[in-house]
Amino acid sequence: AQSVTQLDSHVSVSEGTPVLLRCNYSSSYSPSLFWYVQHPNKGLQLLLKYTSAATLVKGINGFEAEFKKSETSFHLTKPSAHMSDAAEYFCVVSDLPGNTGKLIFGQGTTLQVKP
Amino acid sequence: ETGVTQSPTHLIKTRGQQVTLRCSSQSGHNTVSWYQQALGQGPQFIFQYYREEENGRGNFPPRFSGLQFPNYSSELNVNALELDDSALYLCASSSGLNTGELFFGEGSRLTVL
Repeated sequence: AQSVTQLDSHVSVSEGTPVLLRCNYSSSYSPSLFWYVQHPNKGLQLLLKYTSAATLVKGINGFEAEFKKSETSFHLTKPSAHMSDAAEYFCVVSDLPGNTGKLIFGQGTTLQVKP
Repeated sequence: ETGVTQSPTHLIKTRGQQVTLRCSSQSGHNTVSWYQQALGQGPQFIFQYYREEENGRGNFPPRFSGLQFPNYSSELNVNALELDDSALYLCASSSGLNTGELFFGEGSRLTVL
């Protein structure tokens, strides 16, 4: 069975400092992995996706993630946090190969950005 | 191009009642997935519709049912509401089964008293 574990429920950074949100995955096949962001009272938005191409994936708003098979990790990073990055972030794995509409979400990490 | 729209945005029901939530998929999208997000949790997959047919279901009882219409809009119906059904219900659409991206609506927040 597929699953994701987000290692931090809450991360707090100062504006302009790096962001690291950690995610480990478990999958019985080569996974499709995603990071979604949810701002308050807004729908979920795709930040980036890994679908077995390049292991370093670049997304929107300066975010990127690296797929590391040996560590079963897919951590999300950003070099410099902005106040607008404050939101809930979800690491997500596709439940079935060939169907990226059936997703398994992690518990979420709340990112706080301090001025 | 309009995005995914859901209605109603908020509603309050009492235990035992029935509720219908509606979703208009993004233009050109033939696949709709529904998710339940309890407070402080990640969304959980309820079911998916592809070209008007149910195409998979998560771990939800039969009192959760759905429909997809010829225009690919969709409904989620929940019968015999329970207190634990209180959650944000999210609809997401895509242009196929393996496009790599879901487009989510802002959700319908259901409170069961």
